[in-house]
Amino acid sequence: DQQVKQNSPSLSVQEGRISILNCDYTNSMFDYFLWYKKYPAEGPTFLISISSIKDKNEDGRFTVFLNKSAKHLSLHIVPSQPGDSAVYFCAASARMDFGNEKLTFGTGTRLTIIP
Amino acid sequence: DADVTQTPRNRITKTGKRIMLECSQTKGHDRMYWYRQDPGLGLRLIYYSFDVKDINKGEISDGYSVSRQAQAKFSLSLESAIPNQTALYFCATSDYTDTQYFGPGTRLTVL
Repeated sequence: DQQVKQNSPSLSVQEGRISILNCDYTNSMFDYFLWYKKYPAEGPTFLISISSIKDKNEDGRFTVFLNKSAKHLSLHIVPSQPGDSAVYFCAASARMDFGNEKLTFGTGTRLTIIP
Repeated sequence: DADVTQTPRNRITKTGKRIMLECSQTKGHDRMYWYRQDPGLGLRLIYYSFDVKDINKGEISDGYSVSRQAQAKFSLSLESAIPNQTALYFCATSDYTDTQYFGPGTRLTVL
């Protein structure tokens, strides 16, 4: 049972345009969400996060939006740059499950920025 | 120097062999994790440890065991490797927040 889903395995975007990566979840206990970025031959690196008490969080070119009623979050990258080409993982945790916090990851979306 | 290191980075072994993957961290975090990554399946949790005396199974622990030798060290063992354990393995650490810091990964091939 995949509790965190990224339905688009890949996405190609022109340099300078907006990249939108989507993530859906099924577990209503999830209350904290993260995006990780992964380059080949490297481990995932933390990019941005959002708590369920917010619906938007921005960090430079990266913005994460959360729609709790739809159990959906998205990562917007504006403007997209060639260095953004990577695999992006969505992850979720249930912070209310104190002492047992774990991350559940999606399957990843490979983003390719076309120069 | 990297905060989270994994050894070896690459390993090819044969079915039935015992393999140990090692992870060390210098971040001073209490929590450590082992994941495997397979194409189309994302990152799946194998085992995790919230302190030196704490070991917990993740979603895919069968065929694996772990040892938390110290706060900074967390090893993953495959007692008798099989081909479907061929994957990328990642170690991660965290403090009491949700943000996990990952090592560079170990590519394991079981023939």
